[in-house]
Amino acid sequence: TQLLEQSPQFLSIQEGENLTVYCNSSSVFSSLQWYRQEPGEGPVLLVTVVTGGEVKKLKRLTFQFGDARKDSSLHITAAQPGDTGLYLCAGAGTGNQFYFGTGTSLTVIP
Amino acid sequence: DAGVIQSPRHEVTEMGQEVTLRCKPISGHNSLFWYRQTMMRGLELLIYFNNNVPIDDSGMPEDRFSAKMPNASFSTLKIQPSEPRDSAVYFCASRRAGGWSTEAFFGQGTRLTVV
Repeated sequence: TQLLEQSPQFLSIQEGENLTVYCNSSSVFSSLQWYRQEPGEGPVLLVTVVTGGEVKKLKRLTFQFGDARKDSSLHITAAQPGDTGLYLCAGAGTGNQFYFGTGTSLTVIP
Repeated sequence: DAGVIQSPRHEVTEMGQEVTLRCKPISGHNSLFWYRQTMMRGLELLIYFNNNVPIDDSGMPEDRFSAKMPNASFSTLKIQPSEPRDSAVYFCASRRAGGWSTEAFFGQGTRLTVV
């Protein structure tokens, strides 16, 4: 199991603010995924990053993969209440499996 | 497609009882994963299958846990005997062949409470 630490663990912000969530590991990953999970549901894929230094944008969300492929960040611009949820990064294992990070619980207050 | 289907959605059982969780993956997906989610430990990978064959069960916590995938459209996770510390939400996920970066789809989970 490769440990993926996310920070912060909890985040509560006002609507319209910006935020960044971090996913860090001592292991190198061939690719990394970000998921969002809402209460009572399973995680849903947001993005996959595969190349060191890669930046992907999904509307107000910007994802970056570290140059060494050991870390990643998720930046949200002008957060909205609909962004509320648990954000999870996931890194590949040596086989076909993937391991999740510790999670960041985001609450956006209207 | 209906997505990954898990049953039951909720299960309350007494300590010592056998519990069986069920999962129907998305048709055409050849990888299936069982995860357990708790506040303390987050999402833990318990076991995964490729083409119905268990590949890695190192995450299964104890011998009380077992998983099977008799065919491509059905998998079970069994706990016998159950204990209060097994209380958690159990997720099943499936993914199509094509490498690790392909999207995994999750079911809605089974919330297990052992009293």
